[in-house]
Amino acid sequence: DTEVTQTPKHLVMGMTNKKSLKCEQHMGHRAMYWYKQKAKKPPELMFVYSYEKLSINESVPSRFSPECPNSSLLNLHLHALQPEDSALYLCASSQTRAGGPYNEQFFGPGTRLTVL
Amino acid sequence: SQQGEEDPQALSIQEGENATMNCSYKTSINNLQWYRQNSGRGLVHLILIRSNEREKHSGRLRVTLDTSKKSSSLLITASRAADTASYFCATDATDSWGKLQFGAGTQVVVTP
Repeated sequence: DTEVTQTPKHLVMGMTNKKSLKCEQHMGHRAMYWYKQKAKKPPELMFVYSYEKLSINESVPSRFSPECPNSSLLNLHLHALQPEDSALYLCASSQTRAGGPYNEQFFGPGTRLTVL
Repeated sequence: SQQGEEDPQALSIQEGENATMNCSYKTSINNLQWYRQNSGRGLVHLILIRSNEREKHSGRLRVTLDTSKKSSSLLITASRAADTASYFCATDATDSWGKLQFGAGTQVVVTP
């Protein structure tokens, strides 16, 4: 299985709502990522998990809260978002590096988030 | 911040023609990767070239890497309408564990 799945595909939420995005992979990858992508822009890294531990937080506002319950799952909890947070949220996974270069990242199809 | 810069920003060609896009970056890298993204979808990995490699082929794709100029190019030969997509280069910098720095992307349109 070489697929990263993300749910939901689309999400519309108000600024007072709490919602979660989910990501799953069964490739045995121990690094997982959240990216945010605005239209016609490249993906921007938000968080990196390595062996289920948060290793990189790119100064993301606390209204975004990541969680890695196990090696296959990655969640992104959303609370009190702003309209400017509307974007495509992409999850990715990769093999981890052990003293060598990283391999490629495998991306999910993304969740299209609209904040009203 | 983005490390890679790509040009052109947009490219429009006809089926059968070749498409070339370039990527420049600023720091030392472990590898450079190219990804394709169809409109509103996830990214698909195309090819990875390591810092000690100069050229790599995969099907109709040819990637070159010049570490002295800190630049790479992606050539798509005999393009097809299905190649219509945005193409991003991404660098794995030697001092940037776990992070890929994406370029701004090149939007390619292939018309039948």
